[in-house]
Amino acid sequence: DVVMTQSPLSLPVTLGQPASISCRSSQSLVHSDGNTYLNWFQQRPGQSPRRLIYKVSNRASGVPDRFSGSGSGTDFTLKISRVEAEDVGVYYCMQGTHWGTFGQGTKVEIK
Amino acid sequence: QVQLQESGPGLVKPSETLSLICTVSGYSITSGFYWGWIRQPPGKGLEWIGSFYHSGNTYYNTSLKSRVTISEDKAKNQFSLKLRSVTAADTAVYFCMRESGLGCGDDCYSQGSGPENWGQGTLVTVSS
Repeated sequence: DVVMTQSPLSLPVTLGQPASISCRSSQSLVHSDGNTYLNWFQQRPGQSPRRLIYKVSNRASGVPDRFSGSGSGTDFTLKISRVEAEDVGVYYCMQGTHWGTFGQGTKVEIK
Repeated sequence: QVQLQESGPGLVKPSETLSLICTVSGYSITSGFYWGWIRQPPGKGLEWIGSFYHSGNTYYNTSLKSRVTISEDKAKNQFSLKLRSVTAADTAVYFCMRESGLGCGDDCYSQGSGPENWGQGTLVTVSS
């Protein structure tokens, strides 16, 4: 099974400041079709997860442009350019190349 | 706008079968996409349970495969989850979802870009 490892697991941030979450996979996420299926999800308190980013760097519909994804191979990053109050929640990376597995989650909170 | 809604008992006894239904509106489950289930134990992370394509293959998480069945009811535009021989470890919020998966054979699946639509989730507690 592919293991997804996120860091940090807890991220206190100041409103208006940037934030960054790292995600590492135990093997390459390049699919035989040439795509890299690394996705990011946001789960606000008491809500269902919401897809933010798919295939490394593509923002899902309705996602603000302060969210961006990057990376390749086994190392990936989610960045929030300026954290807003509504960004509080848990962020999960998820690989969809080899079946599907999620990272442990990173809890983002306001300092 | 596709919407998904889970329903079913919130309490199941150990060793019995957990049964949930997902009702889909705004899109026919026969028109494409993969449909399936993901669960989240209280305070923990997300675990994919399985996904199916209408009149195609159904794929399961290998860790749950021996106990899980996902099936469709196209007349009602619903699909269901059955998890047998449950224990306290199966206590979780269960989400139904729609995703653009990639099937590559009878025992080969990629979730691809991941679930793009989710139900609100339903908590199922396993307890006597």
